[in-house]
Amino acid sequence: GAGVSQSPSNKVTEKGKDVELRCDPISGHTALYWYRQSLGQGLEFLIYFQGNSAPDKSGLPSDRFSAERTGGSVSTLTIQRTQQEDSAVYLCASSLITGSYEQYFGPGTRLTVT
Amino acid sequence: GIQVEQSPPDLILQEGANSTLRCNFSDSVNNLQWFHQNPWGQLINLFYIPSGTKQNGRLSATTVATERYSLLYISSSQTTDSGVYFCAVGGGSGNTGKLIFGQGTTLQVKP
Repeated sequence: GAGVSQSPSNKVTEKGKDVELRCDPISGHTALYWYRQSLGQGLEFLIYFQGNSAPDKSGLPSDRFSAERTGGSVSTLTIQRTQQEDSAVYLCASSLITGSYEQYFGPGTRLTVT
Repeated sequence: GIQVEQSPPDLILQEGANSTLRCNFSDSVNNLQWFHQNPWGQLINLFYIPSGTKQNGRLSATTVATERYSLLYISSSQTTDSGVYFCAVGGGSGNTGKLIFGQGTTLQVKP
């Protein structure tokens, strides 16, 4: 079946603009995770959803970052007033449910803030 | 939180050689995954292995949870094995499933 999909694959934006990144999880997966991969920080957790709820937002780096999930499926990660340090690859993953289950990753969105 | 250390950070092999990558973690875990990141950045699932031993073709992995380490074995390496290998663990209080990644091992296989 189809894997995790993300859009856009690449996004170039000017500093100060808002951006929205989209993630479509594997059908039937109720858990959804956002991670970020940057040169200086490696791969780091941002936020996860179980259904439409986000019990753990501890990884969001600032209040400019927010995420939502509707219908227990698609999720959107929004970055407001982008800064150059937000440049990174944003990865989405899904698993059957939260906890000790295998996660499957999408291809990522490469964000460049100029 | 859980700390994850991978070694070696870099590895260069001749095609056909074998290698062992190691992942140490600082606390008990409920989830451990090995990934290969291809040149396009996609994370490819290799193993889901919180404990025990698994094999898939030329690759195998072993996790000794009581001693807090996991090993990834690559036999008869090929140039297509080149890339970055990540170990990621999950667990701890709440067990939300979020993964903590190591810094990766960059493997280069020369023809």
